[in-house]
Amino acid sequence: DQQVKQNSPSLSVQEGRISILNCDYTNSMFDYFLWYKKYPAEGPTFLISISSIKDKNEDGRFTVFLNKSAKHLSLHIVPSQPGDSAVYFCAAVSGNTGKLIFGQGTTLQVKP
Amino acid sequence: NAGVTQTPKFRILKIGQSMTLQCTQDMNHNYMYWYRQDPGMGLKLIYYSVGAGITDKGEVPNGYNVSRSTTEDFPLRLELAAPSQTSVYFCASSYSGDGYTFGSGTRLTVV
Repeated sequence: DQQVKQNSPSLSVQEGRISILNCDYTNSMFDYFLWYKKYPAEGPTFLISISSIKDKNEDGRFTVFLNKSAKHLSLHIVPSQPGDSAVYFCAAVSGNTGKLIFGQGTTLQVKP
Repeated sequence: NAGVTQTPKFRILKIGQSMTLQCTQDMNHNYMYWYRQDPGMGLKLIYYSVGAGITDKGEVPNGYNVSRSTTEDFPLRLELAAPSQTSVYFCASSYSGDGYTFGSGTRLTVV
């Protein structure tokens, strides 16, 4: 029972273009979502988050969009850079103890 | 500026052996978590703690135990290692339940 799903295991884009990573969730009670970035042999690092009271949050090259009716969020990276090549995890906060429910991850490759 | 420190970084265990994965944070965070990551899968919550002396099960607690005697430390114990516990283990902490800081992980192989 995967409550948070990232259906694309991998994505390849050209440097300078837009990267769009998608995430779907099933539990309408989720009200806070986060994106984490993970390099090999390192722990995940926080990238950007969004509360369910918003439909967009922007931080530099990174923008997260939330569509509550569709239970869908996406991460846009513009422009993409080779250093953005990593695994990206979408996560939803479950309850008030900070437990995170993670998606399977999407491996992004940005080609020079 | 250590953040969350996990030891060891790598370990190979034989079936039936036991070991403790160590996790220490120096940020005075109340919340601490243990996750495991299997290939092609997201991170799954094993156990978590909202403060010293308080622990609770996550999604996949079977085969593991934890303790939280201090704010800083949150060790994860494997009593009888099984091949299904081959995974990468991440410890994380947060101040108020968001904005996690993760450790760099422990790669465990059970043979």
